[in-house]
Amino acid sequence: DVKVTQSSRYLVKRTGEKVFLECVQDMDHENMFWYRQDPGLGLRLIYFSYDVKMKEKGDIPEGYSVSREKKERFSLILESASTNQTSMYLCASLGPIGTEAFFGQGTRLTVV
Amino acid sequence: GIQVEQSPPDLILQEGANSTLRCNFSDSVNNLQWFHQNPWGQLINLFYIPSGTKQNGRLSATTVATERYSLLYISSSQTTDSGVYFCAVIMDTGRRALTFGSGTRLQVQP
Repeated sequence: DVKVTQSSRYLVKRTGEKVFLECVQDMDHENMFWYRQDPGLGLRLIYFSYDVKMKEKGDIPEGYSVSREKKERFSLILESASTNQTSMYLCASLGPIGTEAFFGQGTRLTVV
Repeated sequence: GIQVEQSPPDLILQEGANSTLRCNFSDSVNNLQWFHQNPWGQLINLFYIPSGTKQNGRLSATTVATERYSLLYISSSQTTDSGVYFCAVIMDTGRRALTFGSGTRLQVQP
């Protein structure tokens, strides 16, 4: 069974903290993604990666960075968390053309 | 970028009724997926269907790629079908990432 696993389901952090959201996939997929989901704004792409050590900005990269040191792991980093980063964060992985994407269970982050 | 529009935005059904959800997209795609978001927020894969027709139990989907739309059919709906249904696509050209529609919120009443 295919698996994308996010490190936490719920997370509460303080303003100004450095926050790491981890995502691991076991499908040997080249492509990995981070989205955030907010009421009324839908799912928006933050960053994605086509390969190890490669990263591309999505539609809303401001305030975030990412790391992909190994093929199976893609980390989202909030350098200095702010309350407007309170959201649901979803990680996904995708294989070659002709295959489907899979999502992790999501992380609900609250910044107080 | 590509535009993905879903309709209707909200749908309320009685248990046992049938429904059709629609997804229109503005460009050629090589990936189209339907997801159901469960109450805990996870996106559950329903169909990978860039073209053609597929069925899985009470659910089926059809994509007419030449006319740039996809339909998700739910028959004999159950309360457990409630939730938000998303269509997402990847364009033939440009970045290889899913672009989502705004979703259809389905509520099935007993």
